[in-house]
Amino acid sequence: QTVVTQEPSFSVSPGGTVTLTCGLRSGSVSDSYYPSWSQQTPGQAPRTLIYNTNTRSSGVPDRFSGSILGNKAALTITGAQADDESDYYCVLYMGGGIWVFGGGTKLTVL
Amino acid sequence: EVQLVESGGGLVQPGGSLRLSCAASGFTVTKNYMFWVRQAPGKGLEWVSVIYGGGSTSYADSVKGRFTISRDNSKNTVFLQLNSLRAEDTAVYYCATDWGFVYWGQGTLVSVSS
Repeated sequence: QTVVTQEPSFSVSPGGTVTLTCGLRSGSVSDSYYPSWSQQTPGQAPRTLIYNTNTRSSGVPDRFSGSILGNKAALTITGAQADDESDYYCVLYMGGGIWVFGGGTKLTVL
Repeated sequence: EVQLVESGGGLVQPGGSLRLSCAASGFTVTKNYMFWVRQAPGKGLEWVSVIYGGGSTSYADSVKGRFTISRDNSKNTVFLQLNSLRAEDTAVYYCATDWGFVYWGQGTLVSVSS
């Protein structure tokens, strides 16, 4: 069973705003889990957009932002563009030297 | 500029072994977290292992006792020794570094099949 949960799929209109979430099967996500978000298009290596909840990697546009919303980590994309259509993965640090990725969200821009 | 280049993947029979390499440039592997992450065909990402700057290591339960992470400081390279391979270990194996998996390599494909 998946410990870290993500929406399997999501769609957004071009120019729209979408928030993807990353939760726990049991418990709440906080900054102490140091959530990171990566983007991956088919056949390509992942590219990390956000780490430590809300720090953007170098070169990542500011329309990508990270936060904690309620009991989940969140990745918000504002002004969605066609090339944002990708798979998005979150990863949480569970402590004890263990990291766990979520199952990923397939984002469609249409 | 940080660069990670994986190598060593290939086709191996069940029960066999492989050693993957991750050659790093632009930073020193002893001063950073070095991760291995894998992705089975058509599946999501799975964290596999980490070696800390101080040399401590950690593994996912799915590979514990079969895989070993290590490094050669003189070559600024991290390795992943894969033993007792199973069909379910078939995946692209990525090397990543920095807290938060900030930098990724392009991956190397491991196929386990008879």
